[in-house]
Amino acid sequence: KNEVEQSPQNLTAQEGEFITINCSYSVGISALHWLQQHPGGGIVSLFMLSSGKKKHGRLIATINIQEKHSSLHITASHPRDSAVYICAVRGITSKIIFGKGTRLHILP
Amino acid sequence: DARVTQTPRHKVTEMGQEVTMRCQPILGHNTVFWYRQTMMQGLELLAYFRNRAPLDDSGMPKDRFSAEMPDATLATLKIQPSEPRDSAVYFCASGLVRFGGLNQETQYFGPGTRLLVL
Repeated sequence: KNEVEQSPQNLTAQEGEFITINCSYSVGISALHWLQQHPGGGIVSLFMLSSGKKKHGRLIATINIQEKHSSLHITASHPRDSAVYICAVRGITSKIIFGKGTRLHILP
Repeated sequence: DARVTQTPRHKVTEMGQEVTMRCQPILGHNTVFWYRQTMMQGLELLAYFRNRAPLDDSGMPKDRFSAEMPDATLATLKIQPSEPRDSAVYFCASGLVRFGGLNQETQYFGPGTRLLVL
């Protein structure tokens, strides 16, 4: 079993829909990251969480440390949100473990 | 507009050749990460530096890979000799950890070096 599991693996939705991507992990962490990788390959860090909730524009990320679970939400989704979203956990040491990613496709 | 830069952006080489990839972290950042991304394995951490000292290189094949920071503005990743299975995109990222801070820095990724070993 992978130490970081993301779901769903693939998601296609219509423009305007509310999107939720989930990440579950099985190790103790100091932080959890949500990354966005565009079709061109570039990677952008969206959020770094150690507790609670963060919001940036239409993106919201939450984490529940007790349940070892995080969610990334996109409100009013847009075709430009189409990308691969990757969850990564930072262990108590320096170790970083990545999820396999969720491929999101928003249809106009 | 501060960015992490990586050179070269693309590299095609023959098996057995030495490959050197370079990364210039954002000025003032004190942590540097090297990652490898393949279709099969996804993203993997190869090495992690803080204040130029290697803190974790457990993800790196030691027999052929080496990572260094000759100074605060340059990080290098070398493969010698290269093999076809090293074909991947190699990303560098940098961040800033405050004195006494935990491993919680936001990472800024470079554009990557796409390596193909024939």
